Amino acid sequence: DGGITQSPKYLFRKEGQNVTLSCEQNLNHDAMYWYRQDPGQGLRLIYYSQIVNDFQKGDIAEGYSVSREKKESFPLTVTSAQKNPTAFYLCASSLGGIDTGELFFGEGSRLTVL
Amino acid sequence: KNEVEQSPQNLTAQEGEFITINCSYSVGISALHWLQQHPGGGIVSLFMLSSGKKKHGRLIATINIQEKHSSLHITASHPRDSAVYICAVRRGAQKLVFGQGTRLTINP
Repeated sequence: DGGITQSPKYLFRKEGQNVTLSCEQNLNHDAMYWYRQDPGQGLRLIYYSQIVNDFQKGDIAEGYSVSREKKESFPLTVTSAQKNPTAFYLCASSLGGIDTGELFFGEGSRLTVL
Repeated sequence: KNEVEQSPQNLTAQEGEFITINCSYSVGISALHWLQQHPGGGIVSLFMLSSGKKKHGRLIATINIQEKHSSLHITASHPRDSAVYICAVRRGAQKLVFGQGTRLTINP
């Protein structure tokens, strides 16, 4: 079945460590996105990519990095520079971008910093 | 004030009741999305609309562009409808602004 797979579902990290969250899609979508969700707040855009080998910062990119070496993969690295990394992270994709179609989301990854 | 406001924040109802969730926004938009977030965290897109009304099964979404307001209705609600419903407005290329969500609980 087509969809978006995020892993791991739960992740614990010590302060000062970098962690990478995986996002893979087999929908043949060009655009992929990473969002962060905190309790009581709406989702906020971290990074997005419209094509392979290109990505753009979203509203809260500081302390995060991404790569888009393959169309189906868009991993997110939470670096030690991210001051408050404990959150729920959601990956999404769309066929031609937000302005052309609906979004498909993964199941999310919950990161906890100990 | 948030650009997108949802009401109510929490809603509890009995099975079979007609449910209405509201979304108001303060900026110009090109489209509005309604999303459903399951207890496990995954999100499903329900509707994307820019005018009028859309219906899918027991779900109905309406939007009034002039009044900057949208509603999501659920008819004959069921416990499996229990979830967080999120409104998001599209502003320009690749820009979605999300509401805080409405937590809906349907009791049997």
